[in-house]
Amino acid sequence: QKEVEQDPGPLSVPEGAIVSLNCTYSNSAFQYFMWYRQYSRKGPELLMYTYSSGNKEDGRFTAQVDKSSKYISLFIRDSQPSDSATYLCAMKGSSNTGKLIFGQGTTLQVKP
Amino acid sequence: NAGVTQTPKFQVLKTGQSMTLQCAQDMNHNSMYWYRQDPGMGLRLIYYSASEGTTDKGEVPNGYNVSRLNKREFSLRLESAAPSQTSVYFCASSVTGYSGNTIYFGEGSWLTVV
Repeated sequence: QKEVEQDPGPLSVPEGAIVSLNCTYSNSAFQYFMWYRQYSRKGPELLMYTYSSGNKEDGRFTAQVDKSSKYISLFIRDSQPSDSATYLCAMKGSSNTGKLIFGQGTTLQVKP
Repeated sequence: NAGVTQTPKFQVLKTGQSMTLQCAQDMNHNSMYWYRQDPGMGLRLIYYSASEGTTDKGEVPNGYNVSRLNKREFSLRLESAAPSQTSVYFCASSVTGYSGNTIYFGEGSWLTVV
């Protein structure tokens, strides 16, 4: 079983919809949780970064971490066609290296 | 500010050939990484370098070698390419020294081994 599980989709929604992307993990040592967005033929870019449990909001994006359930989510409000991309969750423990464990990525398409 | 730059962007190799992927970062980061991305597998760490002069194996190091040439540059070498190494390769870098760091990726190198 993978340390981090993510539904690969694809997920297709109409413009303006609320999108929910999720990851589960098995390693209780993970403390830092990230969401990366990857456009086709591009490298991943950091979208959201959260430490430990709780919520973090940035514009239309909200990241949630529930360490008790080992479950993280990314919500996208008022989704736009420009949000069409692959979204990768990533996480790490407390070490001071940047070694990350990634989910498989979820491909999202927002239709106009 | 270019960030993380990788070359080449596309490459086709024959089985058994060798090649080196080059990576340079201009963010003054201590740590650098090589990941590969395959369909359904996400990103997997091949090798990383926590600082100049040090390298360590990641999750999938077999068939690869790396060189941390200086603080800016980190190369990945395939000595005898195999079709299983067909993938997209990403170089990345990060600050070292505190646990809240995260990593920044290059644009990727698409490698096909035939």
